[in-house]
Amino acid sequence: DAGVIQSPRHEVTEMGQEVTLRCKPISGHNSLFWYRQTMMRGLELLIYFNNNVPIDDSGMPEDRFSAKMPNASFSTLKIQPSEPRDSAVYFCASSFRSAGYTFGSGTRLTVV
Amino acid sequence: GENVEQHPSTLSVQEGDSAVIKCTYSDSASNYFPWYKQELGKRPQLIIDIRSNVGEKKDQRIAVTLNKTAKHFSLHITETQPEDSAVYFCAASNGAGTGNQFYFGTGTSLTVIP
Repeated sequence: DAGVIQSPRHEVTEMGQEVTLRCKPISGHNSLFWYRQTMMRGLELLIYFNNNVPIDDSGMPEDRFSAKMPNASFSTLKIQPSEPRDSAVYFCASSFRSAGYTFGSGTRLTVV
Repeated sequence: GENVEQHPSTLSVQEGDSAVIKCTYSDSASNYFPWYKQELGKRPQLIIDIRSNVGEKKDQRIAVTLNKTAKHFSLHITETQPEDSAVYFCAASNGAGTGNQFYFGTGTSLTVIP
């Protein structure tokens, strides 16, 4: 298995632009999580899905952030419009039932 | 909800010495406690985990202990090596209901000095 696949690996965009991050979970995993990591705040859970259904989005910082999971093999995290304070590494992770997470390689987002 | 506290935030040890990282949690329903290692610029990776029906688990130089009464668990690394240098995160989960949300500690930056 190729593991959790995220794209792009790096994204540099200008303030105000729309950014879309993509994630392909491990086949068979039924939970998917989006995390944001910064030096100041560590790992923050933004939203997670169970069986493609959003369960908890209380970590989504603002209405500028949205996430979808149209099927079991794909999820997106969108930021519109982006701001410099959104600069961070965004990780996607998946898991099966009560097993540990497997993280993707992350997307390093820089908003200038 | 669950609150996981982790300390110390930074730890330096001499190569060959042991390192201990401690975490506490608040929700008595938590029953699964994984530990992740994150090397610089890389993803967090699961290194060991323990469930609430076990008090200790070992895997080569790494061990984790759990005290459910006191609601704390610890990571022990023996005979440390420079490649153990990384940030370590503990987490807690109740593994129940819909989804499986992990509550992470704030991380411990371990430096092993050759």
